[in-house]
Amino acid sequence: DTAVSQTPKYLVTQMGNDKSIKCEQNLGHDTMYWYKQDSKKFLKIMFSYNNKELIINETVPNRFSPKSPDKAHLNLHINSLELGDSAVYFCASSHKGMNTEAFFGQGTRLTVV
Amino acid sequence: AQSVSQHNHHVILSEAASLELGCNYSYGGTVNLFWYVQYPGQHLQLLLKYFSGDPLVKGIKGFEAEFIKSKFSFNLRKPSVQWSDTAEYFCAVNSDNFNKFYFGSGTKLNVKP
Repeated sequence: DTAVSQTPKYLVTQMGNDKSIKCEQNLGHDTMYWYKQDSKKFLKIMFSYNNKELIINETVPNRFSPKSPDKAHLNLHINSLELGDSAVYFCASSHKGMNTEAFFGQGTRLTVV
Repeated sequence: AQSVSQHNHHVILSEAASLELGCNYSYGGTVNLFWYVQYPGQHLQLLLKYFSGDPLVKGIKGFEAEFIKSKFSFNLRKPSVQWSDTAEYFCAVNSDNFNKFYFGSGTKLNVKP
């Protein structure tokens, strides 16, 4: 069973389009995250949700809107895609607080052309 | 601001050589420390973690890391690397003040057969 699953794995789209990436975890975690990994492999936190509530928004453009329908799901919707949005987006989950590790999804490689 | 520094950006070793990758963090409170590995085209997987107790932690695939609180360091080591260890290695920090896992910039390890 996949612990943290993301769909789609690959996404190629044109500038200006709107797209969504879905994430689901079956680990019973209460906290979920979106990370962006750029071409230099740098991992940057975008959002963090705990029990469906947004707790971190790291100065991400408001074209990015996360949605958490329940604590097992955290989707990422991106409006008006730009070339600079091309990256690999990783979803992750953990328990809240200390003494917990993050589990990562397989990643979604987004290419904006 | 809190930060995680990985000083080695790219390391090239021959098989059977010993490995040490540096990681320093800048946060004075209680931290959890992690090393994650990302094989080419794959997601992040946990190598090892430190929560408390023995500062020398052992992980999977023969990796170990030592937490030195006075030096704010958590260096990763392996006595003898294999070609299959070729990957990107990320140090990460979590604390109850972060509400997130904060990653270093990664170290690309190439092991020559």
